Amino acid sequence: DSGVTQTPKHLITATGQRVTLRCSPRSGDLSVYWYQQSLDQGLQFLIQYYNGEERAKGNILERFSAQQFPDLHSELNLSSLELGDSALYFCASSVGVDSPLHFGNGTRLTVT
Amino acid sequence: EDKVVQSPLSLVVHEGDTVTLNCSYEVTNFRSLLWYKQEKKAPTFLFMLTSSGIEKKSGRLSSILDKKELFSILNITATQTGDSAIYLCAVLHYGQNFVFGPGTRLSVLP
Repeated sequence: DSGVTQTPKHLITATGQRVTLRCSPRSGDLSVYWYQQSLDQGLQFLIQYYNGEERAKGNILERFSAQQFPDLHSELNLSSLELGDSALYFCASSVGVDSPLHFGNGTRLTVT
Repeated sequence: EDKVVQSPLSLVVHEGDTVTLNCSYEVTNFRSLLWYKQEKKAPTFLFMLTSSGIEKKSGRLSSILDKKELFSILNITATQTGDSAIYLCAVLHYGQNFVFGPGTRLSVLP
């Protein structure tokens, strides 16, 4: 158990809908990262937050947004969902700049 | 564009075999290279390498980094069926972003 908690584990929704994925980092970790993993794309970096502020952005779609709250938990919001958004979404946290990532178990999103 | 390449993409061996997984990278402002093991769910951290030529070991697993040639290898000796997984290589650069390779899918047969 990495100590990173993601909810929900599974999410099935229809095209056009909006969902929110939640992540609680390990105790003491200030950085939160979001990754998308699909079969043909591997782990794709979406966005990083450090102590509430956005630090780095990857190829995150404009339909997607995220934030990190004062208690350090983070939410990833996905809107106007398309079939191609179906994937495993991972949250990871780290204690600092040169520290390894520790991953949650992911949220499997299925868009029908 | 930052790139991490892993080879082979897939490997099937028998228990007791030794395997070598490769990771090469082209990343600006390299900080460190990491290896992860992914079974059914979350990738789990194995090693973090920042210095060239220094081997890191944990049981039957070991890894080394060559910063001049921009690659790393992960060795697994005396493989067991429990080693079956996807092994991911990731590189951290000064943008504080981790770039992941596609992974090597290792299958260890009894």
